[in-house]
Amino acid sequence: AQSVTQPDIHITVSEGASLELRCNYSYGATPYLFWYVQSPGQGLQLLLKYFSGDTLVQGIKGFEAEFKRSQSSFNLRKPSVHWSDAAEYFCAVGNSGYALNFGKGTSLLVTP
Amino acid sequence: DAGVIQSPRHEVTEMGQEVTLRCKPISGHDYLFWYRQTMMRGLELLIYFNNNVPIDDSGMPEDRFSAKMPNASFSTLKIQPSEPRDSAVYFCASRGSAKNIQYFGAGTRLSVL
Repeated sequence: AQSVTQPDIHITVSEGASLELRCNYSYGATPYLFWYVQSPGQGLQLLLKYFSGDTLVQGIKGFEAEFKRSQSSFNLRKPSVHWSDAAEYFCAVGNSGYALNFGKGTSLLVTP
Repeated sequence: DAGVIQSPRHEVTEMGQEVTLRCKPISGHDYLFWYRQTMMRGLELLIYFNNNVPIDDSGMPEDRFSAKMPNASFSTLKIQPSEPRDSAVYFCASRGSAKNIQYFGAGTRLSVL
Protein backbone atom coordinates (compact mmCIF):
# COMPACT_ATOMS: atom_id res chain seq x y z
CA ALA A 1 0.00 0.00 0.00
CA GLN A 2 1.05 3.53 -0.62
CA SER A 3 2.15 5.65 2.31
CA VAL A 4 3.77 9.01 2.78
CA THR A 5 5.79 10.16 5.76
CA GLN A 6 6.66 13.73 6.56
CA PRO A 7 8.96 13.38 9.57
CA ASP A 8 8.83 17.02 10.64
CA ILE A 9 5.54 18.26 12.06
CA HIS A 10 6.81 21.81 12.59
CA ILE A 11 9.78 23.67 11.16
CA THR A 12 10.92 27.19 12.01
CA VAL A 13 13.17 29.05 9.61
CA SER A 14 14.49 32.60 9.61
CA GLU A 15 13.50 34.77 6.69
CA GLY A 16 16.16 34.55 4.01
CA ALA A 17 17.45 31.19 5.18
CA SER A 18 17.26 28.05 3.11
CA LEU A 19 14.54 25.46 3.59
CA GLU A 20 14.27 21.72 3.15
CA LEU A 21 11.12 19.78 3.96
CA ARG A 22 11.41 16.03 4.02
CA CYS A 23 9.11 13.49 2.44
CA ASN A 24 9.50 9.72 2.27
CA TYR A 25 7.13 7.44 0.46
CA SER A 26 6.38 3.78 0.20
CA TYR A 27 5.15 2.54 -3.14
CA GLY A 28 5.77 -0.53 -5.26
CA ALA A 29 6.35 1.19 -8.58
CA THR A 30 7.50 4.60 -9.69
CA PRO A 31 5.02 6.91 -8.08
CA TYR A 32 3.60 10.22 -9.07
CA LEU A 33 4.77 12.67 -6.41
CA PHE A 34 3.37 16.04 -5.46
CA TRP A 35 3.91 18.90 -3.07
CA TYR A 36 0.96 21.05 -2.12
CA VAL A 37 0.85 24.15 0.07
CA GLN A 38 -2.06 25.22 2.24
CA SER A 39 -2.28 28.73 3.63
CA PRO A 40 -4.54 29.30 6.64
CA GLY A 41 -8.19 28.99 5.71
CA GLN A 42 -7.37 28.13 2.13
CA GLY A 43 -7.45 25.09 -0.06
CA LEU A 44 -4.41 23.20 -1.29
CA GLN A 45 -2.34 24.71 -4.07
CA LEU A 46 -0.02 22.58 -6.17
CA LEU A 47 3.63 23.63 -5.86
CA LEU A 48 5.21 21.02 -8.09
CA LYS A 49 4.96 17.44 -9.31
CA TYR A 50 7.14 14.58 -10.46
CA PHE A 51 5.90 12.03 -12.94
CA SER A 52 9.05 10.90 -14.74
CA GLY A 53 12.24 12.18 -16.33
CA ASP A 54 14.53 14.72 -14.70
CA THR A 55 14.60 13.99 -11.00
CA LEU A 56 14.99 17.66 -10.05
CA VAL A 57 11.71 19.47 -10.64
CA GLN A 58 10.99 23.15 -10.44
CA GLY A 59 7.78 24.54 -9.11
CA ILE A 60 6.07 27.80 -8.41
CA LYS A 61 7.19 30.40 -5.90
CA GLY A 62 10.85 29.40 -6.22
CA PHE A 63 10.44 25.88 -4.85
CA GLU A 64 12.14 22.78 -6.18
CA ALA A 65 12.14 19.11 -5.22
CA GLU A 66 14.38 16.18 -5.94
CA PHE A 67 13.20 12.62 -6.46
CA LYS A 68 15.65 10.08 -5.08
CA ARG A 69 14.52 6.58 -5.84
CA SER A 70 17.26 4.94 -3.75
CA GLN A 71 16.09 6.82 -0.68
CA SER A 72 12.37 6.80 -1.52
CA SER A 73 12.40 10.51 -0.92
CA PHE A 74 11.02 13.63 -2.53
CA ASN A 75 12.29 16.54 -0.47
CA LEU A 76 11.15 20.09 -1.07
CA ARG A 77 13.69 22.91 -1.06
CA LYS A 78 13.87 26.66 -1.36
CA PRO A 79 17.12 28.63 -1.25
CA SER A 80 15.72 31.71 0.49
CA VAL A 81 12.49 31.71 2.45
CA HIS A 82 10.10 34.66 2.49
CA TRP A 83 7.66 35.46 5.30
CA SER A 84 4.81 34.70 2.90
CA ASP A 85 5.99 31.08 2.68
CA ALA A 86 4.64 30.39 6.16
CA ALA A 87 2.00 27.71 5.60
CA GLU A 88 1.30 24.00 5.83
CA TYR A 89 3.08 21.83 3.27
CA PHE A 90 1.82 18.44 2.15
CA CYS A 91 3.61 15.74 0.23
CA ALA A 92 1.41 13.30 -1.68
CA VAL A 93 1.86 10.15 -3.71
CA GLY A 94 -0.41 8.80 -6.40
CA ASN A 95 -0.47 6.26 -9.16
CA SER A 96 -1.65 6.55 -12.74
CA GLY A 97 -5.21 6.39 -11.59
CA TYR A 98 -6.92 8.15 -9.03
CA ALA A 99 -6.69 9.43 -5.54
CA LEU A 100 -3.73 10.85 -3.73
CA ASN A 101 -2.30 9.63 -0.47
CA PHE A 102 -1.18 12.59 1.61
CA GLY A 103 1.37 12.93 4.37
CA LYS A 104 0.33 14.52 7.65
CA GLY A 105 1.89 17.81 6.66
CA THR A 106 4.70 20.07 7.88
CA SER A 107 3.86 23.44 9.35
CA LEU A 108 6.39 26.10 8.40
CA LEU A 109 6.94 29.14 10.59
CA VAL A 110 9.10 31.96 9.27
CA THR A 111 10.70 34.29 11.79
CA PRO A 112 11.99 37.82 11.04
CA ASP B 1 -11.66 29.32 -15.04
CA ALA B 2 -13.00 29.94 -11.54
CA GLY B 3 -11.46 26.80 -10.11
CA VAL B 4 -13.22 24.31 -7.87
CA ILE B 5 -16.03 26.03 -6.00
CA GLN B 6 -17.30 24.78 -2.67
CA SER B 7 -20.20 26.00 -0.60
CA PRO B 8 -20.75 26.91 2.09
CA ARG B 9 -17.33 27.98 3.34
CA HIS B 10 -18.40 27.54 6.92
CA GLU B 11 -21.22 25.50 8.40
CA VAL B 12 -22.22 25.33 12.04
CA THR B 13 -24.95 22.91 12.98
CA GLU B 14 -26.26 20.97 15.89
CA MET B 15 -25.83 17.29 16.43
CA GLY B 16 -28.51 15.28 14.65
CA GLN B 17 -29.08 17.78 11.88
CA GLU B 18 -28.59 17.05 8.21
CA VAL B 19 -25.66 18.77 6.53
CA THR B 20 -25.14 19.15 2.79
CA LEU B 21 -21.87 20.28 1.31
CA ARG B 22 -21.67 21.33 -2.32
CA CYS B 23 -18.99 21.29 -4.97
CA LYS B 24 -18.68 22.56 -8.52
CA PRO B 25 -15.65 21.06 -10.27
CA ILE B 26 -13.58 22.72 -12.95
CA SER B 27 -15.36 22.56 -16.29
CA GLY B 28 -14.14 19.65 -18.38
CA HIS B 29 -12.76 17.68 -15.46
CA ASP B 30 -14.15 14.18 -15.24
CA TYR B 31 -12.79 13.10 -11.85
CA LEU B 32 -14.13 14.51 -8.61
CA PHE B 33 -12.81 13.75 -5.15
CA TRP B 34 -14.08 14.45 -1.63
CA TYR B 35 -11.51 14.64 1.18
CA ARG B 36 -11.79 15.28 4.90
CA GLN B 37 -9.08 17.02 6.90
CA THR B 38 -8.73 16.68 10.66
CA MET B 39 -5.87 17.29 13.05
CA MET B 40 -5.77 13.66 14.10
CA ARG B 41 -6.03 11.92 10.74
CA GLY B 42 -4.81 14.52 8.27
CA LEU B 43 -6.25 14.47 4.75
CA GLU B 44 -8.34 11.41 4.00
CA LEU B 45 -10.07 10.47 0.78
CA LEU B 46 -13.76 9.84 1.32
CA ILE B 47 -14.99 9.06 -2.19
CA TYR B 48 -14.24 9.80 -5.80
CA PHE B 49 -16.25 9.89 -9.00
CA ASN B 50 -15.35 9.38 -12.63
CA ASN B 51 -17.79 10.66 -15.21
CA ASN B 52 -20.35 11.15 -12.44
CA VAL B 53 -20.12 7.53 -11.30
CA PRO B 54 -18.82 6.70 -7.80
CA ILE B 55 -15.71 4.58 -8.22
CA ASP B 56 -14.35 4.15 -4.70
CA ASP B 57 -16.30 4.99 -1.57
CA SER B 58 -14.25 2.88 0.81
CA GLY B 59 -13.22 5.99 2.70
CA MET B 60 -16.75 7.01 3.62
CA PRO B 61 -16.81 6.64 7.40
CA GLU B 62 -20.27 5.14 7.79
CA ASP B 63 -23.76 5.08 6.40
CA ARG B 64 -24.47 8.54 7.73
CA PHE B 65 -22.33 9.85 4.89
CA SER B 66 -23.52 9.86 1.29
CA ALA B 67 -22.30 11.55 -1.87
CA LYS B 68 -23.89 12.15 -5.22
CA MET B 69 -22.90 13.61 -8.53
CA PRO B 70 -26.07 14.16 -10.56
CA ASN B 71 -24.19 15.83 -13.41
CA ALA B 72 -20.71 16.81 -14.50
CA SER B 73 -20.85 20.20 -12.83
CA PHE B 74 -22.20 19.44 -9.38
CA SER B 75 -21.64 17.12 -6.45
CA THR B 76 -22.94 16.94 -2.90
CA LEU B 77 -21.70 15.32 0.27
CA LYS B 78 -24.42 14.76 2.82
CA ILE B 79 -24.17 13.81 6.48
CA GLN B 80 -27.36 12.67 8.15
CA PRO B 81 -27.50 12.74 11.11
CA SER B 82 -24.43 14.77 11.90
CA GLU B 83 -22.30 14.15 14.99
CA PRO B 84 -19.65 16.27 16.74
CA ARG B 85 -16.90 13.94 15.52
CA ASP B 86 -17.80 14.92 11.95
CA SER B 87 -16.36 18.37 12.63
CA ALA B 88 -13.59 18.87 10.08
CA VAL B 89 -12.67 20.68 6.90
CA TYR B 90 -14.10 18.99 3.83
CA PHE B 91 -12.36 19.50 0.52
CA CYS B 92 -13.50 18.83 -2.98
CA ALA B 93 -10.97 18.37 -5.78
CA SER B 94 -11.22 17.69 -9.49
CA ARG B 95 -8.91 16.60 -12.28
CA GLY B 96 -9.06 15.91 -15.96
CA SER B 97 -8.28 12.60 -17.65
CA ALA B 98 -5.16 13.79 -19.39
CA LYS B 99 -3.31 15.21 -16.43
CA ASN B 100 -2.91 13.52 -13.08
CA ILE B 101 -3.17 16.81 -11.20
CA GLN B 102 -5.88 17.50 -8.68
CA TYR B 103 -7.16 21.01 -8.11
CA PHE B 104 -8.67 21.74 -4.75
CA GLY B 105 -11.48 23.97 -3.62
CA ALA B 106 -11.15 26.25 -0.62
CA GLY B 107 -12.94 23.77 1.61
CA THR B 108 -15.95 23.79 3.90
CA ARG B 109 -15.24 24.07 7.61
CA LEU B 110 -17.93 22.08 9.40
CA SER B 111 -18.61 22.42 13.11
CA VAL B 112 -21.16 20.11 14.69
CA LEU B 113 -22.13 21.22 18.18
